[in-house]
Amino acid sequence: QQPVQSPQAVILREGEDAVINCSSSKALYSVHWYRQKHGEAPVFLMILLKGGEQKGHEKISASFNEKKQQSSLYLTASQLSYSGTYFCGTESYRDGNNRKLIWGLGTSLAVNP
Amino acid sequence: NAGVTQTPKFQVLKTGQSMTLQCAQDMNHNSMYWYRQDPGMGLRLIYYSASEGTTDKGEVPNGYNVSRLNKREFSLRLESAAPSQTSVYFCASSTRRAPVGPHQPQHFGDGTRLSIL
Repeated sequence: QQPVQSPQAVILREGEDAVINCSSSKALYSVHWYRQKHGEAPVFLMILLKGGEQKGHEKISASFNEKKQQSSLYLTASQLSYSGTYFCGTESYRDGNNRKLIWGLGTSLAVNP
Repeated sequence: NAGVTQTPKFQVLKTGQSMTLQCAQDMNHNSMYWYRQDPGMGLRLIYYSASEGTTDKGEVPNGYNVSRLNKREFSLRLESAAPSQTSVYFCASSTRRAPVGPHQPQHFGDGTRLSIL
């Protein structure tokens, strides 16, 4: 089952912060975050493997709460280059050795000057 | 360093025509994937290959076939194109050695924009 991302869209001014959430109805093995700029391919940001784990990339970080079956992506002091669509992909324990990466529908982020 | 190369970048087909989308990676990756991306639908997995010689269906395999020709190449074939297959197709690869271990970062090609009239 597809993870649910929220919000669907967000508009920021340069320097503002944002949080994007990714929730699943299944127990999660891992959560992956990607960013896709318009007309381009998705680009990998980070993977979170353990409950409570936090990782960072530039001023972008993420947390993974196993109990809540969700992950949050934090964009701090946003830059114009952060604009794009952010996708989470989730792997579920329930799928065993046949785990596939299932993608959310994405969150559109626009950063304005 | 080319990474993942997809050809062609654009294609227009008529309903019923066939065509093969090509994908090659030069990173010595084990796993390769084909996705389609439609507006508002995110990325949907069509087929994947965990290693040379193996392929498996994803979420939306109907109307498609794939071939993992060797470790580098993974092609996607539309036997009889339909307007519903109009989409942007992405090929990706990763170091993942299925079935054990988590999925690894996927490296995407630039995509093929396919229109079927």
